[in-house]
Amino acid sequence: GQSLEQPSEVTAVEGAIVQINCTYQTSGFYGLSWYQQHDGGAPTFLSYNGLDGLEETGRFSSFLSRSDSYGYLLLQELQMKDSASYFCAAYGQNFVFGPGTRLSVLP
Amino acid sequence: GAVVSQHPSWVICKSGTSVKIECRSLDFQATTMFWYRQFPKQSLMLMATSNEGSKATYEQGVEKDKFLINHASLTLSTLTVTSAHPEDSSFYICSVVQAEKLFFGSGTQLSVL
Repeated sequence: GQSLEQPSEVTAVEGAIVQINCTYQTSGFYGLSWYQQHDGGAPTFLSYNGLDGLEETGRFSSFLSRSDSYGYLLLQELQMKDSASYFCAAYGQNFVFGPGTRLSVLP
Repeated sequence: GAVVSQHPSWVICKSGTSVKIECRSLDFQATTMFWYRQFPKQSLMLMATSNEGSKATYEQGVEKDKFLINHASLTLSTLTVTSAHPEDSSFYICSVVQAEKLFFGSGTQLSVL
């Protein structure tokens, strides 16, 4: 089977840095991706790690360690608009999503 | 990335009726599309993988006779919820995969009265 774990909620203030962790147990793993979803909207792609290490895309970075079955999403210079749910997803035979982390950014 | 259009955005129907949801890949030929269901404050649960020109692959626990999927062309997949009941009320989202990335339609909020 496949399962992923994430913290359910994270709170931070504007301008801060926050890290959302994701651990996974999957078979046939190719990579880990991250998606952002605002209330009432559809998920949007943020980042993908097919190899170990850090991927940087603007204020967002993502990290993967295959040996630890672990990854994280790093959000820098937080803005109010970053308040949303963030999902990690393991890409294998198909995409399996984690339970999601609700990020609240406070002024 | 790929642009995916999904219609309708929301639908309200009476119990026992059927509802069809369309998912179109506007700029990408999608041999595979995924259908997810999401309940409030929960994650996305894969319902089925839609394959162009062949039968869909359903996840365990998803009734294939209730959730009919048709993928007749490289740009269109449809999900029909047959004989809908209140417990089918949910947010349904389709997606395509391009270069290990998922691109989603805008979703359909189904409310069954």
